[in-house]
Parts: sequence; C-alpha cells; structure tokens
Amino acid sequence: DIQMTQSPSSLSASVGDRVTIACRASQSISRYLNWYQQKPGKAPKFLIYAASSLQRGVPSRFSGSGSGTDFTLTITSLQPEDFAIYYCQQSYSTPRTFGQGTKVEIK
Amino acid sequence: QVQLQESGPGLVKPSQTLSLTCTVSGASISSGGYYWSWIRQPAGKGLEWIGHIYTSGSTNYNPSLKSRVTISVDTSKNQFSLKLSSVTAADTAVYYCAREDHIIVVPDASWLDPWGQGTLVTVSS
Repeated sequence: DIQMTQSPSSLSASVGDRVTIACRASQSISRYLNWYQQKPGKAPKFLIYAASSLQRGVPSRFSGSGSGTDFTLTITSLQPEDFAIYYCQQSYSTPRTFGQGTKVEIK
Repeated sequence: QVQLQESGPGLVKPSQTLSLTCTVSGASISSGGYYWSWIRQPAGKGLEWIGHIYTSGSTNYNPSLKSRVTISVDTSKNQFSLKLSSVTAADTAVYYCAREDHIIVVPDASWLDPWGQGTLVTVSS
C-alpha cells in the first residue's frame, strides 16, 4: 500500500492568513493526488484533482502543487468557512489511501 | 446532478454481517465509465477506503478487509451494496458511498465525487 503522510496534523491560523499543508507519498504517484475538505458531521468535499486542477466551483484561493512524492495544498487569504479538516488521497494505485488529515483551526 | 444515499441498519451485532446499500440518483450506474466506492471513517479518525466496483462488476478491495468484504451492483435498481462479514467493534464507523470519476484519457487521474451523506453503523451486542 502507498502510505500518505500529511503535515502538520493541525494548525492554528487567522482569517486572511496564507496556509500551506504538505502531503508526502511513500513512493512516487506522479500527479495522481487529490485534496478534500471535511467539516464536522459532513461528508468530505472534493477540492482538487491531479495535484493542481481545481474542481469546478472551488474558490481560486485554493491551489495545489507537486508531483512524485511531495505535494502541497495552499489556501491564500483564509476565510471563516475554510476552517475544516483537509485530506490528501492518492489515485495511483489500489488500495486508494488517504493522509491522516490536517485540522485547520481558528487562532 | 448526481446524488448518492446510503441506507441500512445502524446497529449490527458482533460476528454478524454489515449490509449497506447506496442508491444513485441523477445518473445511471449502467451508463459506464465510473467506479462506485465505499469509504469509512471511525469517529474522530481518518478516512479508510474499503473498495470499489466498476459498472462491469469488476472489483478492487482494500487488502486489510478483503477477506470480509463484498461489493456488488444492481443496475436494475441503480444501487450498489456493501457487505462486511464477521464484524467487531473496530468496524464501528460512518460509512460513505461515493462515485470515482476520472479524466477520460488519464484513468489514473481519478477522484471521489460526489459522496453520500454517510451512515453511522455501530457494532454492539
């Protein structure tokens, strides 16, 4: 199985801050990396596919980058509705695997 | 707009079989081109992929659950189902169904969207 490791596990930030979340794969996954946002009691919401392609309707303050084993999700100018848990997920092979999540909290 | 909805018992006894169904609306499962997936999430923990089924019926399962999991599809009802046998308390979780979509020319560039709202299954006597 491909292991996905996110860092940090949690972070505190203020509205307007720039936030960066890292995701590392245990082997190269090319660009087959997705990002999801999950709020309490809700299903994950799909944000980004193929490392950097924004899903339709996702605000442009979200962006993704990376390839191979190292990826990042960046949120420029954090908004109140962005406080949530973010997960990365690889689609390079089965079983599909997720990172452990990064909780973005209000400072 | 494609929507998915999980249904099934919220309480299952240890050693029994957990059975859930995902009903798809707004699209036909038999139209092809997608994997239909199950994912679970224990309370306060991360997401675990259980497996998926293609329209043709071919499946992939998580090796950690493979001996206990069966995913099937019923195109006549536009549903797909999950069976997990010999459950224990460790199988208590919110279970989600989701569609795995992909870029036509790059099948490995796939993602899970949309998701059902999730259903809590508790394993307890």
